[in-house]
Amino acid sequence: RKEVEQDPGPFNVPEGATVAFNCTYSNSASQSFFWYRQDCRKEPKLLMSVYSSGNEDGRFTAQLNRASQYISLLIRDSKLSDSATYLCVVNKNPPASKLTFGTGTRLQVTL
Amino acid sequence: DAGVIQSPRHEVTEMGQEVTLRCKPISGHNSLFWYRQTMMRGLELLIYFNNNVPIDDSGMPEDRFSAKMPNASFSTLKIQPSEPRDSAVYFCASSFEDEQYFGPGTRLTVT
Repeated sequence: RKEVEQDPGPFNVPEGATVAFNCTYSNSASQSFFWYRQDCRKEPKLLMSVYSSGNEDGRFTAQLNRASQYISLLIRDSKLSDSATYLCVVNKNPPASKLTFGTGTRLQVTL
Repeated sequence: DAGVIQSPRHEVTEMGQEVTLRCKPISGHNSLFWYRQTMMRGLELLIYFNNNVPIDDSGMPEDRFSAKMPNASFSTLKIQPSEPRDSAVYFCASSFEDEQYFGPGTRLTVT
């Protein structure tokens, strides 16, 4: 079983739609969690950290469910510019430690 | 502020040649990470340093790969001799605490 699992997609949604991605992790000792965004032929960029209480940044909401070991990302009012691959990332031993990346979920927002 | 700087951005070399990739982390960050990304294997951590000291090199594929961090503002990843299967995008990332910031990557092609 992979340490971090994501549905690869692609998720094809129209502009303005709401879309949600889930990610599961296998190590219950994992302590910190992130969503990164990666555009084609670019580097991964930190989108948001995921806190136990959940957090929101504009149109983006991240949730953590430790009991079920999953993380979610909700994008409201999708924009064409949201088209990218979204990587779920887990850190077992923060602060300075190896991150474990999921293989990513591809999102394509269309007109 | 400048982000993580990597050079070269693109490298094309022949099998058997030595390749050196360079990275300048964000000033003040104390951890540095080298990753490799391919379509087949996704994003893989090769090695990471904390305060210039290698902490975990378990991801380094084999003895042909070596990495150094002589000071807080510079690191190299060397492949000698290079092979076609080393073709990939190599990312450097740095962090101060938990959140890692990636450089633009070096796209390596070994023919």
